Amino acid sequence: DTAVSQTPKYLVTQMGNDKSIKCEQNLGHDTMYWYKQDSKKFLKIMFSYNNKELIINETVPNRFSPKSPDKAHLNLHINSLELGDSAVYFCASSQKKRAEERGIRDTQYFGPGTRLTVL
Amino acid sequence: AQSVTQPDIHITVSEGASLELRCNYSYGATPYLFWYVQSPGQGLQLLLKYFSGDTLVQGIKGFEAEFKRSQSSFNLRKPSVHWSDAAEYFCAVGYSKLSFGAGTTVTVRA
Repeated sequence: DTAVSQTPKYLVTQMGNDKSIKCEQNLGHDTMYWYKQDSKKFLKIMFSYNNKELIINETVPNRFSPKSPDKAHLNLHINSLELGDSAVYFCASSQKKRAEERGIRDTQYFGPGTRLTVL
Repeated sequence: AQSVTQPDIHITVSEGASLELRCNYSYGATPYLFWYVQSPGQGLQLLLKYFSGDTLVQGIKGFEAEFKRSQSSFNLRKPSVHWSDAAEYFCAVGYSKLSFGAGTTVTVRA
């Protein structure tokens, strides 16, 4: 009964390839997020979707494209992978029903992470 | 600009001893405050959160944290550490867009 799941757990690929990471949550949450954790364990938000609508889009290269087919899924597609993309990518979700909502529904629950290694 | 500072990069504590992890933040208003724990090779698990009200909050695994507005701090404590508490601890602040500290690595010695 995993709450937030990600696939794959590990991803090793060559520079220049295109890859996708999938995220699914079974919590019934309305908002989902992608974070990147670099080699120094620093976590930074990349994107957030609320009910399939993009609400946060940080300064991320446009090689990264999130896609939300429904509110339970938020996938991350990365084109033309570069060495610097090597990191752990975490998906998260929260109950927040509207982008402007505040309160306990802002609590974010994280998936197990996907370790991406670009060679 | 928003920022979160965890001054201690690495803390070593003996099993059974108390633990305190520091977190200071800079934010326009009082943000929501969170502590997460990341065990080796694992995802982030929420330990506790503060939104408003009582400034001493209880979390899972015997952890508690105290919000001090005057010091812009949200320090995490545990009275007696277990070997399984060895992990990376992250303080996070914000609303939708969480800003994380750099993390504190906790090592527990027998």
